[in-house]
Order: sequence, then structure tokens, then C-alpha cells
Amino acid sequence: GDSVTQMEGPVTLSEEAFLTINCTYTATGYPSLFWYVQYPGEGLQLLLKATKADDKGSNKGFEATYRKETTSFHLEKGSVQVSDSAVYFCALSDRDNAGKSTFGDGTTLTVKP
Amino acid sequence: GAVVSQHPSRVICKSGTSVKIECRSLDFQATTMFWYRQFPKQSLMLMATSNEGSKATYEQGVEKDKFLINHASLTLSTLTVTSAHPEDSSFYICSAREFGGLYGYTFGSGTRLTVV
Repeated sequence: GDSVTQMEGPVTLSEEAFLTINCTYTATGYPSLFWYVQYPGEGLQLLLKATKADDKGSNKGFEATYRKETTSFHLEKGSVQVSDSAVYFCALSDRDNAGKSTFGDGTTLTVKP
Repeated sequence: GAVVSQHPSRVICKSGTSVKIECRSLDFQATTMFWYRQFPKQSLMLMATSNEGSKATYEQGVEKDKFLINHASLTLSTLTVTSAHPEDSSFYICSAREFGGLYGYTFGSGTRLTVV
């Protein structure tokens, strides 16, 4: 079945540091890939997405590239801010699996001033 | 863009009572909605797929009689937790699939259920 493996957390960075959160996947079909962010006590918000190989999703300074050859979708940001502190989930939706979303375990990011 | 509204955002109920959670697609029709459960500091686990006009499809290990799902219209799905117990306390999130759009990527804001 489909699965998503995320870099274990928690991750603690200083403000303006470079962020990378690794994500790899396995899927039987041709999935779309997503990064979601969850702030404390809130629901999930879509951060960015990519629907086919070599697509780059980007939003709010975050970006991730769909790498089919390495089955990866690593999240990066050049300079993090305190307000980026949250839990980040990598996910895939596989249209061959009725569009269900499969999530990674989440990575908690804490950015210190 | 596609917006999904989930209500209530928080609910506290007594053991043995039932709680209904609503998931609405505000500006699009959703033939399929998904219900997820999230335990503290854990990831989201798919509970069931809600199909408009037909029975929901439950994931293995999810009790159909405990978690009743009704998808009576193209914009509304409801999850009813029946005879709630403290172990049902969790964060429940729905997502809706926009017809013709990407699959299942618009999420509601979630419902924090606490059973006392």
C-alpha cells in the first residue's frame, strides 16, 4: 500500500536558519504530493502541492520538488521565522486509491528567536 | 478556492451520549468526503470515505456502528460518534474532494472532541 516516511522530529532552529524536512513515499499509482501545516490547536492547512514529476510547489517561502526518481518531496525554506513553528505533514493522494490521502507522521518545528 | 467548513470546532460531552460533527463544502460540490482522526502528537488516520447517496466505506478496525457517517447531499457529510467514551476523545478532521479537482486536498479546521 501507499506510505509516506518523514524525517523524525522535533526540529529546533534559530530564526533565519535554513530548513529541510525530508519526505519519501511509496505508491502504487501516480500520486499527487502535498505538504500541510498544523498550528497548535488548529486544523490542517495546505502549504503546497505538486501533481507530477519535476513539479515544484511553493508558498510563503517554502518549496518542495516532486522527484520521481528518488520518490522524494523534501520541504525547504531558506530563512525560517518564529511564526513558522508548527507541525508539518507530508502526504500523498493517489487517484488509483480512490483519492485517499496518506500522511507521514508529522515533524514538529520550533524556531527560536 | 475550495473551502470546507467543519462544525463544531470543540465539543465536550458526557460518556454515553452521542455527538454529531458536520462537514460542509461551501463553494463546491463534493461527491466524496473523508473523515480522519488524529491522536495527540500523532499523524492523521483515515477512518472512512463518505460517498454521497451511498454507504460510507470504513477502514479496517473502525467500528461502523460507533462512527455513523451520513452524506445526504453534495455539500454535507456528518460524523456521529455514538455512545461516546473517553477513549473516543480525539481530533477529528474531514476533507472534501472537489469534483474535477485534485483528490481530497481541502480540509476542514477540525473538531476537538472531549468525552468526560
